[in-house]
Amino acid sequence: ELKVEQNPLFLSMQEGKNYTIYCNYSTTSDRLYWYRQDPGKSLESLFVLLSNGAVKQEGRLMASLDTKARLSTLHITAAVHDLSATYFCATGPTDGLTFGKGTHLIIQP
Amino acid sequence: DGGITQSPKYLFRKEGQNVTLSCEQNLNHDAMYWYRQDPGQGLRLIYYSQIVNDFQKGDIAEGYSVSREKKESFPLTVTSAQKNPTAFYLCASSIDGVAGSVAFFGQGTRLTVV
Repeated sequence: ELKVEQNPLFLSMQEGKNYTIYCNYSTTSDRLYWYRQDPGKSLESLFVLLSNGAVKQEGRLMASLDTKARLSTLHITAAVHDLSATYFCATGPTDGLTFGKGTHLIIQP
Repeated sequence: DGGITQSPKYLFRKEGQNVTLSCEQNLNHDAMYWYRQDPGQGLRLIYYSQIVNDFQKGDIAEGYSVSREKKESFPLTVTSAQKNPTAFYLCASSIDGVAGSVAFFGQGTRLTVV
């Protein structure tokens, strides 16, 4: 059974700081997704990582994938309040994704 | 505008009732999915369909049923056999379900048992 674990599950940080969210998964997978969810809203796709060593960046967010370690990271640089949300990683075979429990991120002024 | 439309946004169900959640997409995607989200939890896969007239159970299919008679539609019925149906339900679609195809999500239906 595929398991996806994120940590931390809750993160409160100050604006301007850097931090990393970790996503570990239990079985081999060559694709990893990161999504953002605002309270009461749906999921918005952030990144799709498809190969070992893949790195993608969008604004203050950067995601990477290490398939050998079964680890993906989402790095936040110089956080701003607008990045407050819940972030999910997900992976799995073609027949549906397995999601982590999400990292609830609060960025305080 | 292309996208995924879920309706209704809020739904209340009495004990013992079946209810059907609608999901329609105009993205011409082959694959469609239903997920359930409980507070503080990630998403769990209920059912998925990679082609018309075919669908497969996900991790938590018990108490749910689906149909895929048309490419653009994938309704989910929550039956009375589902003992704890109160949750946020999300429908998603992707081009073809293969690696790399991004799943786009609808805005969700919040179901409450009263």
